[in-house]
Amino acid sequence: GQSLEQPSEVTAVEGAIVQINCTYQTSGFYGLSWYQQHDGGAPTFLSYNALDGLEETGRFSSFLSRSDSYGYLLLQELQMKDSASYFCAVRDKGNTPLVFGKGTRLSVIA
Amino acid sequence: EAGVTQFPSHSVIEKGQTVTLRCDPISGHDNLYWYRRVMGKEIKFLLHFVKESKQDESGMPNNRFLAERTGGTYSTLKVQPAELEDSGVYFCASSLRTGTGELFFGEGSRLTVL
Repeated sequence: GQSLEQPSEVTAVEGAIVQINCTYQTSGFYGLSWYQQHDGGAPTFLSYNALDGLEETGRFSSFLSRSDSYGYLLLQELQMKDSASYFCAVRDKGNTPLVFGKGTRLSVIA
Repeated sequence: EAGVTQFPSHSVIEKGQTVTLRCDPISGHDNLYWYRRVMGKEIKFLLHFVKESKQDESGMPNNRFLAERTGGTYSTLKVQPAELEDSGVYFCASSLRTGTGELFFGEGSRLTVL
């Protein structure tokens, strides 16, 4: 099976940078995804890393190190609207389900 | 293009009753998934359809849960009889490709069992 660990809560100041870490244990590895969910809303796809390195999409970046079974989501120039829960998710094979972590609740304060 | 839609958005029932949740995936998405999130816990996989076939139902908790996807379009998830521990938010997601890391989720159906 798979397991993922990520911090339960993070608080950061508007305009700052925050990093949300995710470590995983899987029998195989088919990629690490990140999702954002605002309260009462749908989880929304942010990024996907299959290979080591940094992927940048606007203010959000995602990093993967397969040798360390570790990844992170980096949010820059934080805005109040970034307050949400962020989930990392992994798949260990192409035909197995996407498994989610428990989520990190990010609170952006003024 | 319409996203994934789920109905009802919220259902409150008593223990022992039956509830049926519906999901309409994005048109053309053969892959449809059901997930559940219980308060404060992970978004947990329930099952996966490819068209009308159950590809993986390893996450279904017990035989009180029945999922169908007749015709390979919309899907229903029936809980019968409901128990207190079934309370949570049931999410449906769809994707064009199998094995992708990008799923398109609906806003969920919040189930409260009293």
